[in-house]
Amino acid sequence: GEDVEQSLFLSVREGDSSVINCTYTDSSSTYLYWYKQEPGAGLQLLTYIFSNMDMKQDQRLTVLLNKKDKHLSLRIADTQTGDSAIYFCAERAPGTYKYIFGTGTRLKVLA
Amino acid sequence: DTGVSQDPRHKITKRGQNVTFRCDPISEHNRLYWYRQTLGQGPEFLTYFQNEAQLEKSRLLSDRFSAERPKGSFSTLEIQRTEQGDSAMYLCASSAQVDGANVLTFGAGSRLTVL
Repeated sequence: GEDVEQSLFLSVREGDSSVINCTYTDSSSTYLYWYKQEPGAGLQLLTYIFSNMDMKQDQRLTVLLNKKDKHLSLRIADTQTGDSAIYFCAERAPGTYKYIFGTGTRLKVLA
Repeated sequence: DTGVSQDPRHKITKRGQNVTFRCDPISEHNRLYWYRQTLGQGPEFLTYFQNEAQLEKSRLLSDRFSAERPKGSFSTLEIQRTEQGDSAMYLCASSAQVDGANVLTFGAGSRLTVL
């Protein structure tokens, strides 16, 4: 199938770490992506990881990839109220040009 | 370059009318995508262009939907005989390779409401 699955909601306190999880479908995906969407806006690329990597760190963001379990996670350190948004993971569907997005995880940061 | 521009941002129409959306991608991007997003869902792929060629179209797309990219620059998405189920946000994205990854840059979207 082509479902990319994510939990729907996550609530954290300001200053804590947030971990957003994603399960993807295609073990041959070369790159996996995380996008952020704020209210009324389009999606903005946050980061991506190449499939031969287990981890990628980019400032407050850490991406972990478990290829065996087809599991991707995004950790946001020192979460701020400005991080409140919907986060989507995405992969390219095999043999096509299209990118499949998960249903999104709505992150709410409590002050 | 101001990024990916979409017009109009909002469109309200009556059922049965035709609507057209325009997307201006980032100028050096030859890849262009249309997606549809409904409330509480992730973006759903509609179609893909490489330059002026439409290389992929979703099987979910009915024949009321048509997209063009005549000169390989801007693109239009037309919906004929709109139905209430067409109400959604229509997102356009263009892309370029960044360190081997194909990074999509999205516009802010065109929100369609069909009454």
